[in-house]
Amino acid sequence: DADVTQTPRNRITKTGKRIMLECSQTKGHDRMYWYRQDPGLGLRLIYYSFDVKDINKGEISDGYSVSRQAQAKFSLSLESAIPNQTALYFCATSGPAGSETQYFGPGTRLLVL
Amino acid sequence: GEDVEQSLFLSVREGDSSVINCTYTDSSSTYLYWYKQEPGAGLQLLTYIFSNMDMKQDQRLTVLLNKKDKHLSLRIADTQTGDSAIYFCAEALGGYQKVTFGTGTKLQVIP
Repeated sequence: DADVTQTPRNRITKTGKRIMLECSQTKGHDRMYWYRQDPGLGLRLIYYSFDVKDINKGEISDGYSVSRQAQAKFSLSLESAIPNQTALYFCATSGPAGSETQYFGPGTRLLVL
Repeated sequence: GEDVEQSLFLSVREGDSSVINCTYTDSSSTYLYWYKQEPGAGLQLLTYIFSNMDMKQDQRLTVLLNKKDKHLSLRIADTQTGDSAIYFCAEALGGYQKVTFGTGTKLQVIP
């Protein structure tokens, strides 16, 4: 079984709709992350969480919100989707400081019409 | 600024060596990474190097770090068609609080 799973894998939605992307991990890690990937721009950090009570904005948090429901679950919401949020979204998890390996989910491809 | 730069594309013949280059800007980075992304898949960590190291070798992969020039490279020996993918370098400060990814280099291996 995969260490990091994301649902849905693909989603098409319309402008103005609310959408939630979910992420679960079985690594037992405290740290979780959401990134978006756009062609030619690499990965950019949206939000990150170092434990259940910790939520931090990343580089491009505007238009997004997150919820850390449990150690294993970290969801990303687009409150009112817009077309420039069309991208590939990745969830990741990592161990504590000093254990820097990051494990990525398979990605969610989101198209906002 | 904290830009991590990579060339966008590299084409090599099967069996040759590939060298993918990366320049970074944050001299306080503690870890530098190479990730591989195959079509339709997430990122897979290939290898990483601590900033106090100059070189790391892992089977066909060799990572070289030049801290003075802030230059990181990934050499793939005996490149195979299965190595065709996008390769990302990334730099991280301690604790992964701040990670910056490069734009990715698409490696095409010609049979």
